[in-house]
Amino acid sequence: QVQLQESGPGLVKPSQTLSLTCTVSGGSISSGSFYWSWIRQPAGKGLEWIGHIYTSGSTTYNPSLKSRVTISVDTSKNLFSLKLNSVTTADTAVYYCARLIVGGPYYFDYWGQGTLVTVSS
Amino acid sequence: SSELTQDPAVSVALGQTVRITCQGDSLRSYYASWYQRKPGQAPVLVIYGKNNRPSGIPDRFSGSSSGNTASLTIAGAQAEDEADYYCSSRDNSDNHYVFGTGTKVTVL
Repeated sequence: QVQLQESGPGLVKPSQTLSLTCTVSGGSISSGSFYWSWIRQPAGKGLEWIGHIYTSGSTTYNPSLKSRVTISVDTSKNLFSLKLNSVTTADTAVYYCARLIVGGPYYFDYWGQGTLVTVSS
Repeated sequence: SSELTQDPAVSVALGQTVRITCQGDSLRSYYASWYQRKPGQAPVLVIYGKNNRPSGIPDRFSGSSSGNTASLTIAGAQAEDEADYYCSSRDNSDNHYVFGTGTKVTVL
């Protein structure tokens, strides 16, 4: 059973960089045709796809966040990471990492529990 | 990028059937996947592909699609089905993904 767990600071100051890590257990991050994704949900709002990375290092980002987002992968540690720079209060949200299945139907099959990140001074 | 539109809220009597719809241009090309999100919990995949349920998802959940509309049906809704439901699909452009606006299901 694959499990994902987000970790990182729960409080970030405006204009600074939000940094989160997703540790994958129960399977190798390098195996299979999977994309490793970040998704967020501001309070009272819907889910927003942030972007994803393939184990080759290839990334795709939401155009609305592309200028501020970097997703990276560390296959030796079986984890992937999110960096979002120049944050504002609008970036306050629960951040999820998830595994994206591609190649046939496309869907997010495993999700982390989510971590709340608050942007505040 | 594409948008996926859902009704904000629906209600269903206990044991009755409810259908949630999701509309968007990307659904003409790609199947929707559906996620159940309860307060304080991570989203859970309930339907993917043409009409596939992950292990552990009750068979009262089913999916269908026609044109630009995907539907999630809960047949014989239970109290534990009360949650927010989101559809998602691959976008028509590049390798982007989009989520629906979400539907709050209340079981009366």
